[in-house]
Amino acid sequence: KQEVTQIPAALSVPEGENLVLNCSFTDSAIYNLQWFRQDPGKGLTSLLLIQSSQREQTSGRLNASLDKSSGRSTLYIAASQPGDSATYLCAVGSSNTGKLIFGQGTTLQVKP
Amino acid sequence: DAGVTQSPTHLIKTRGQQVTLRCSPKSGHDTVSWYQQALGQGPQFIFQYYEEEERQRGNFPDRFSGHQFPNYSSELNVNALLLGDSALYLCASSLYGTDTYNEQFFGPGTRLTVL
Repeated sequence: KQEVTQIPAALSVPEGENLVLNCSFTDSAIYNLQWFRQDPGKGLTSLLLIQSSQREQTSGRLNASLDKSSGRSTLYIAASQPGDSATYLCAVGSSNTGKLIFGQGTTLQVKP
Repeated sequence: DAGVTQSPTHLIKTRGQQVTLRCSPKSGHDTVSWYQQALGQGPQFIFQYYEEEERQRGNFPDRFSGHQFPNYSSELNVNALLLGDSALYLCASSLYGTDTYNEQFFGPGTRLTVL
């Protein structure tokens, strides 16, 4: 059974700092991995999608990497801003059927 | 390009009642998945609909049922509501059968409170 873990559960950093969020999964036979952002009480915004054949994806100040053999993904945020404050969720697609298995998220606070 | 929409935004029910939540997928998408997100937790997969049929189901009781219409929109029905059903219900849409099939686009959610 696939399990997804995100550490730390919460993170507080000063504005401008570069930071890394971690995601680990127990079964390396994944189809893809998706990172989402969630603002309080809101829906999920897709940030990056990495297919199983890819090692990383980049969008603006965000870079996500995938290492299937070690069961890990990282989300790198460069030059953090207060507007980056949100909960970040990683989700694993274990097949091409669309079902996602989520971690519990990392709540990020970026202080001005 | 319309994204995923859900209605209503908020809903308050009492134990034992029944509720129906609605979702319209992103334009061009044909698959709808429903997730339940309890406070402070990651979303949990409820079920998925494609071609008006339930294709996959997570570990949820039969009190949770759904439907997909010919225009790809979907409903989630929950019967005999329990206090533990209080959560944010999220709908996600995707396009079946493509390389990007698994990229899920989520709606804003429906906040259900059961008293």
